[in-house]
Amino acid sequence: EIVLTQSPATLSLSPGERATLSCRASQSVSSFLGWYQQKPGQAPRLLIYDASNRATGVPARFSGSGSGTDFTLTISSLEPEDFAVYYCQQRSGWSRTFGQGTKVEIK
Amino acid sequence: QVQLVESGGGVVQPGRSPRLSCAASGFSFSNYGMHWVRQAPGKGLEWVAIISYDGSDKYYADSVKGRFTISRDNSENTLYLQMNSLRAEDTAVYYCAKEEDSYGFAFDYWGQGTLVTVSS
Repeated sequence: EIVLTQSPATLSLSPGERATLSCRASQSVSSFLGWYQQKPGQAPRLLIYDASNRATGVPARFSGSGSGTDFTLTISSLEPEDFAVYYCQQRSGWSRTFGQGTKVEIK
Repeated sequence: QVQLVESGGGVVQPGRSPRLSCAASGFSFSNYGMHWVRQAPGKGLEWVAIISYDGSDKYYADSVKGRFTISRDNSENTLYLQMNSLRAEDTAVYYCAKEEDSYGFAFDYWGQGTLVTVSS
């Protein structure tokens, strides 16, 4: 099973600052990696698919990069609505796994 | 618009066998792979199972293999999760999710979730 490790566990930032979230896979997942945002009491929302492609309706301040085992989600300038938990997810054959999440909180 | 509505959750005794349902609408259900994902209280997301668009292929996380069964009824636009031999650690919100092949098979729509609490 491919394990995804996200860092940091918590990121304390102010609105307007840049957020950089990391996701590392235990073995290569090529570019088969997505990022999701989850707010309290809500289902996750897809932000990025195939490592670097924004899903429909996702603001341009969200960007993804990486391939193989190291991936990054960047939020260029945090808006109040961006404070949430972010998960990466890989696709390997039929299997899927999620990282443990990074919480982006208001400093 | 796409809607996924889960049902069947509640308080369940250990060892019981509830079945969750996910009613789909707003898209051609029979054309898409579907998944179950769960989230224990205060914890992260855990992928549970996948079923192919026609139901011919099914795969499970190791944590539920042999106990849970995913199925679908394309004539009723409904996804199911039969849960057997429940344990306390199966307590979670269970989400159904649609995968989108043009999005690299990522999950583009999710239901609101149904809470299963395993407790005597």
